[in-house]
Amino acid sequence: AQKVTQAQTEISVVEKEDVTLDCVYETRDTTYYLFWYKQPPSGELVFLIRRNSFDEQNEISGRYSWNFQKSTSSFNFTITASQVVDSAVYFCALSVVYNFNKFYFGSGTKLNVKP
Amino acid sequence: NAGVTQTPKFRVLKTGQSMTLLCAQDMNHEYMYWYRQDPGMGLRLIHYSVGEGTTAKGEVPDGYNVSRLKKQNFLLGLESAAPSQTSVYFCASSEAGGTEAFFGQGTRLTVV
Repeated sequence: AQKVTQAQTEISVVEKEDVTLDCVYETRDTTYYLFWYKQPPSGELVFLIRRNSFDEQNEISGRYSWNFQKSTSSFNFTITASQVVDSAVYFCALSVVYNFNKFYFGSGTKLNVKP
Repeated sequence: NAGVTQTPKFRVLKTGQSMTLLCAQDMNHEYMYWYRQDPGMGLRLIHYSVGEGTTAKGEVPDGYNVSRLKKQNFLLGLESAAPSQTSVYFCASSEAGGTEAFFGQGTRLTVV
């Protein structure tokens, strides 16, 4: 069975602070993909990143960075120098290729960035 | 390029009424999904389809039916709505092979 856990329900930071959103996943499959999606107050789901299980390289995109560690089954997301526009709910998700690409979502972390 | 379009965006139903949510994608994706989003529970898979004419149950299928008569459309039906079906419903589509899912803008359904 697949499972994604986002233990942080809600985080509040002040603008310009760095913040890390945690994601822990469970799967017995060796081929899988991990994702982060952003859901701003307007409600749509915005794709941020995808990583496959064979690529543990960390990735940086502007103020965003992702740390994938298979040893701890974690795929954490860090926002550097947070901004008010980063306020949103962030979802971590897992898909298993041999299971019709179905997505398993964590419960989400609500990030509040205060000015 | 519209991507994934859901109709309607908002709906209020009375208990026992029926309705159909329509999802249309223009990316020629094989896979389509219906999820529901409830506070504190993330998104949960209701039904999915891996191609035209196919459907399968997801994690929370009870009370819902689906059909995929055309590749680009995936319909979600509620035959007899219940207050427990009050939720935000998202349709998504993807290609095979671990690609990201593209989501519609969501449908907020309230059953009173």
